[in-house]
Amino acid sequence: DAGVIQSPRHEVTEMGQEVTLRCKPISGHNSLFWYRQTMMRGLELLIYFNNNVPIDDSGMPEDRFSAKMPNASFSTLKIQPSEPRDSAVYFCASRFNRDRGAGYTFGSGTRLTVV
Amino acid sequence: EDQVTQSPEALRLQEGESSSLNCSYTVSGLRGLFWYRQDPGKGPEFLFTLYSAGEEKEKERLKATLTKKESFLHITAPKPEDSATYLCAVLITGGGNKLTFGTGTQLKVEL
Repeated sequence: DAGVIQSPRHEVTEMGQEVTLRCKPISGHNSLFWYRQTMMRGLELLIYFNNNVPIDDSGMPEDRFSAKMPNASFSTLKIQPSEPRDSAVYFCASRFNRDRGAGYTFGSGTRLTVV
Repeated sequence: EDQVTQSPEALRLQEGESSSLNCSYTVSGLRGLFWYRQDPGKGPEFLFTLYSAGEEKEKERLKATLTKKESFLHITAPKPEDSATYLCAVLITGGGNKLTFGTGTQLKVEL
């Protein structure tokens, strides 16, 4: 089991550019989560999907952020246009939510720097 | 408003010096409380899930307990490799599968 795979690991981009973060969840997991982590605010949930359907996107900061899950094995988080305040570590996590005791498995994250 | 608060923010221990980390929560209804460990540059790693007051879980030098208002993560005779940030998170009734995290306790264990 390769775990949750995120790419890229690091991204440096200029303000105004489009950024796409990618995630491959663990096979068989039916929920996928996008979190953002900063020193000031800790881990914040941006959006999550159940069975590829967006369920709660109340954490998405603004319309510049969008997320898709076209199939059970792939999700993207897009920021367009990017701003310096978007600099953070973005984590993807997945879970098999029919197992009550199951933890959420996190990827290694994408460190985004917008200059 | 649902809240999760962890204390202390940072803790420095000598190797072998046992201690506890606290996670207090104010939520409308608790479905589960999760503990995670996070090492620098990595994603959080799942440790335990607790569901009801009085429940306890153990793993090596770690023991998690739960009351109706808070959870403790007890670390017995810690070693330097236990140094990490420990995060607690809650699943709330009516919150779907949304996991809400505290801000963590940064633990450093020194020789």
